[in-house]
Amino acid sequence: DQQVKQNSPSLSVQEGRISILNCDYTNSMFDYFLWYKKYPAEGPTFLISISSIKDKNEDGRFTVFLNKSAKHLSLHIVPSQPGDSAVYFCAAPHTGNQFYFGTGTSLTVIP
Amino acid sequence: GAGVSQSPSNKVTEKGKDVELRCDPISGHTALYWYRQSLGQGLEFLIYFQGNSAPDKSGLPSDRFSAERTGGSVSTLTIQRTQQEDSAVYLCASSLALAGGRWDTQYFGPGTRLTVL
Repeated sequence: DQQVKQNSPSLSVQEGRISILNCDYTNSMFDYFLWYKKYPAEGPTFLISISSIKDKNEDGRFTVFLNKSAKHLSLHIVPSQPGDSAVYFCAAPHTGNQFYFGTGTSLTVIP
Repeated sequence: GAGVSQSPSNKVTEKGKDVELRCDPISGHTALYWYRQSLGQGLEFLIYFQGNSAPDKSGLPSDRFSAERTGGSVSTLTIQRTQQEDSAVYLCASSLALAGGRWDTQYFGPGTRLTVL
């Protein structure tokens, strides 16, 4: 059972526009969420996180929004750049050991 | 190198053979995780090591899978009698473990792509 879901396997956006990647979760006990970015042939790298006590966290061009009532979070990238083209995973840690990851969304930023 | 390394990068094996995958974590990181990513799936947690504590093996899919971590550093994931459904990218990650069982950012290796024919 997928506890963290990314329902869009791919997304294409024009350079300079906003990219919005979505993630839904089912476990209301999750209290921290992370986004990872993965280039081909490389491992995922941490991008940005958000605690459940917040509804927004911003870091440069990247902003993560959390809607606890809807069990939904989103990653906004603005302006999008070609170097942002990668697979993005959302993740939630549970019990300190296990991390639940979504299936990923492949973002393509078109120059 | 400063990052997590894994070897081999690619492994092709025949069904029924045993394979060993290696992970070298970042020096000083006491926590080590193994994940796998099958085609079209998210990262699936397999096993977690933390210092000298007993590992959390709750994610291992069957008793054909085992892992060990020697000297609190290098880890080996062993798959016995491989099956075609074991084909996946196996990722290792390490992190600093914080007090109170809290976690820190995981740093991932590049993965090992395993193909079972």
